[in-house]
Amino acid sequence: DIQMTQSPSSLSASVGDRVTITCRASQDISNFLAWFQQKPGKAPKSLIFAASSLQSGVPSKFSGSGSGTDFTLTISSLQPEDFATYYCQQYNSYPLTFGGGTKVEIK
Amino acid sequence: EVQVLESGGGLAQPGGSLRLSCAASGFTFSNSAMSWVRQAPGKGLDWVSGISGNGGSTYYGDSVKGRFTISRDNSKNTLYLQMSSLRAEDTAVYYCVTHNGPMLTTGGRYWGQGTLVTVPS
Repeated sequence: DIQMTQSPSSLSASVGDRVTITCRASQDISNFLAWFQQKPGKAPKSLIFAASSLQSGVPSKFSGSGSGTDFTLTISSLQPEDFATYYCQQYNSYPLTFGGGTKVEIK
Repeated sequence: EVQVLESGGGLAQPGGSLRLSCAASGFTFSNSAMSWVRQAPGKGLDWVSGISGNGGSTYYGDSVKGRFTISRDNSKNTLYLQMSSLRAEDTAVYYCVTHNGPMLTTGGRYWGQGTLVTVPS
């Protein structure tokens, strides 16, 4: 199975900060990488697919990059509604696997 | 508007069975692979199982292989998860997830609100 490692597991940031979350795959997954946002008590929401493609309706402050084994999710200017937990997921091979999550908290 | 609505969760005894359903609308169901993803209380996301749009290909996570069976009825726009030999560690909210295309290698898109399965220890 492909292991997905996210870092950091949590971070504290201020409104307006630029935030970057990294995700590393244990083997090459090309660009078969998605990012999801989950707020407390809610279902996850898809942000990005194919490593860098924004889902329709997702604001452009979110961006993704990377290929192979190393990926990043960037929030260009953190807003109050962005405080949440973010997960990466590889869908290159089965079983599909998620990273452990990154909790973004208010500083 | 895409909607996915899970049902069938509840309390099940260890070793028992439960069947989850997911009713989908607002898109061409047979054009979308589907997955079940679960989340134990206070934990991260865990992919459970997936099925291609035509139902011809099914896949499972290691922890449920041989105990859970995924299926779909494209005439009813409904996804199922038959769970048997349930264990305490299967306790979680189970989410139904659409994909961006007919294969699972297209990434997850829309998530339902989830249904809670509880298996006491």
